[in-house]
Amino acid sequence: QAVLTQPASLSASPGASASLTCTLRRGINIGGYRIYWFQQRPGSPPQYLLTYRSDSDKQQGSGVPSRFSGSKDASASAGILLISGLQSEDEADYYCMIWYGSAWVFGGGTKLTVL
Amino acid sequence: EVQLLESGGGLVQPGGSLRLSCAASGFTFSSYAMSWVRQAPGKGLEWVSTIETGGYTTYYADSVKGRLTISRDNSKSTLYLQMNSLRAEDTAIYYCAKGGLECSTVTCFDYWGLGTLVTVSS
Repeated sequence: QAVLTQPASLSASPGASASLTCTLRRGINIGGYRIYWFQQRPGSPPQYLLTYRSDSDKQQGSGVPSRFSGSKDASASAGILLISGLQSEDEADYYCMIWYGSAWVFGGGTKLTVL
Repeated sequence: EVQLLESGGGLVQPGGSLRLSCAASGFTFSSYAMSWVRQAPGKGLEWVSTIETGGYTTYYADSVKGRLTISRDNSKSTLYLQMNSLRAEDTAIYYCAKGGLECSTVTCFDYWGLGTLVTVSS
């Protein structure tokens, strides 16, 4: 089982909110992990969005709108990227990442469609 | 303005070698760890390697350990990836990224280059 699991795709309407999940493998306690989120549009390199560990330990990427926010669902052992007020430009692939076992590990990515 | 510019990609035969470079500017290169991340065609992101500021401590993905070597020249603000014994599955766009260690004190992976394409094929 992969360390990080993301749903392959998600669709949402313009103006709505989208909640992208990043689930840690069973047995891994999400509590101490700093979860990174990246956006990648077709043909472009990944762009850093934000990092979330807790409400007191989080960071927003430079120029990243506040409608992008991070959180955790400890009961589900999942990191969450919430995008509110969806815009057509938010259509992209989204990846989560953590430092685990002396290695950086990416989730498989979620393709967000805004329609 | 932070800039990362990769170069050195190209077509190489299986078993061959290639050296990638990443020229950094706009920040104090010697103060930051650096990383390589790759993306196979149509696939997701895969971390490859990270090197600490002085170049003495390195980390590698299991898939590349023993074949790829990360290094840096702080006097030239340049990151390298020496790629040996290349396989078809190494075909990917290779990105360099700022950071990768001490991420509780500095922002990691906040800047990425445009990438350079490596194709391993006969």
